[in-house]
Amino acid sequence: KQEVTQIPAALSVPEGENLVLNCSFTDSAIYNLQWFRQDPGKGLTSLLLIQSSQREQTSGRLNASLDKSSGRSTLYIAASQPGDSATYLCAVLRSGNTGKLIFGQGTTLQVKP
Amino acid sequence: NAGVTQTPKFQVLKTGQSMTLQCAQDMNHEYMSWYRQDPGMGLRLIHYSVGAGITDQGKVPNGYNVSRSTTEDFPLRLLSAAPSQTSVYFCASSYSWGWAFFGQGTRLTVV
Repeated sequence: KQEVTQIPAALSVPEGENLVLNCSFTDSAIYNLQWFRQDPGKGLTSLLLIQSSQREQTSGRLNASLDKSSGRSTLYIAASQPGDSATYLCAVLRSGNTGKLIFGQGTTLQVKP
Repeated sequence: NAGVTQTPKFQVLKTGQSMTLQCAQDMNHEYMSWYRQDPGMGLRLIHYSVGAGITDQGKVPNGYNVSRSTTEDFPLRLLSAAPSQTSVYFCASSYSWGWAFFGQGTRLTVV
């Protein structure tokens, strides 16, 4: 049974810091892993998607890595800004790809000016 | 360029009432799914569909019904609302290779 865990549950940092959010999963038989951002009261916005054959993906100040063998992914945010404050969720798509995402519970990030 | 559209955005129901949450996507995606989001529980899959006419249950399907008669639409029906169904509901659609798009959510309160 696939389980996804995100640590820490909450994080508060001063503006400008580089930070790392962690995601772990128990079953390495995944199709891909996605990172999402959720602002309060809003839907989910896709940030990055890493296919199972890839090691990392980058978009602007965001870099996500994937290590299937250890069941871990990290989301690196460089030079954090107050606008990065949100909840970040990771989700895995199991092999077989039926569109069924399994989510972690998220990390709520606050970036203080 | 609408993406995934959910209606209504907010709804209050009385226990025992029924209603349908609407979801439509304009990206010609094969896969569509419904999740509920509850504090401390994360997002949990209710039902999903891999194409028109094909649906299956997710992790928490009890009390919900779905059908998919077209590629674009995937409505979620609450058969007899219960307070335990108070939640935020999200619809998602995706390409076969998995990049998922989410609607803005429906905030449902059952009293």
